[in-house]
Amino acid sequence: KQEVTQIPAALSVPEGENLVLNCSFTDSAIYNLQWFRQDPGKGLTSLLLIQSSQREQTSGRLNASLDKSSGRSTLYIAASQPGDSATYLCAVQDSNYQLIWGAGTKLIIKP
Amino acid sequence: DAGITQSPRHKVTETGTPVTLRCHQTENHRYMYWYRQDPGHGLRLIHYSYGVKDTDKGEVSDGYSVSRSKTEDFLLTLESATSSQTSVYFCAINRGNYGYTFGSGTRLTVV
Repeated sequence: KQEVTQIPAALSVPEGENLVLNCSFTDSAIYNLQWFRQDPGKGLTSLLLIQSSQREQTSGRLNASLDKSSGRSTLYIAASQPGDSATYLCAVQDSNYQLIWGAGTKLIIKP
Repeated sequence: DAGITQSPRHKVTETGTPVTLRCHQTENHRYMYWYRQDPGHGLRLIHYSYGVKDTDKGEVSDGYSVSRSKTEDFLLTLESATSSQTSVYFCAINRGNYGYTFGSGTRLTVV
C-alpha cells in the first residue's frame, strides 16, 4: 500500500531564505506527483505537477524534483517571502487515478 | 478555480436533514472526486466517478451517496446529516496530464 510522508511537519524560517520541503513515497509505481498549497480556510492550489517520466519542474521561484527510484520528491522555494506562508501538500497519483496524500508541511516565513 | 465550481460555499443544516452538494465542471473531464477535509485527518476520499452513472466508493463513503447524470455535474448527498459530517468538502477533477484541480470547497456545519 502506497504511503506518502512529508518532512518536516512544520517549518519556520526568516524571509529571504531558500528552503526545501521533502516528500517520500513507498511505492515507485506512480503515475505522477503533484505539489499543492493550501492557505488557512481556503482551497487547494496546484503548484507543480511532475510526470513519472520527468525529473523536475519549475515555476517561478519554485522547483520540484522527482527521484522515483529512491521514492523522493523535493520542493525548493527560492528567496522565500511572507506570502509563501501556507501548508504545502504532496500527493502521488497511482495507476488507478487515485491520489495518496502526505500530511503536509506547515510553512511560516517570518518578515 | 478555473473550470470547476462548488455550491453552496457555506451551509448550516440540522441533524437528520438531507443535504446535497453540487460540483460543476466546464471542461468535460471523465474523473471527478469528492473529498472531505478535517483537522488531524487531512483529505479523505468519499466517492469518485469515472463517467456518467459510473461511481465508486472511497475510504469514507458511509452516510454519503453520489450521482452523476451528466458529465459536468457530480452531486454529493448526505441522506440524513449527522454532526460527524460537519466538515469542509472539496470536489476535484482529474485533468489528465495537468493533474488534479480542486474546487473552492463547501463548509458544512450540522447542528
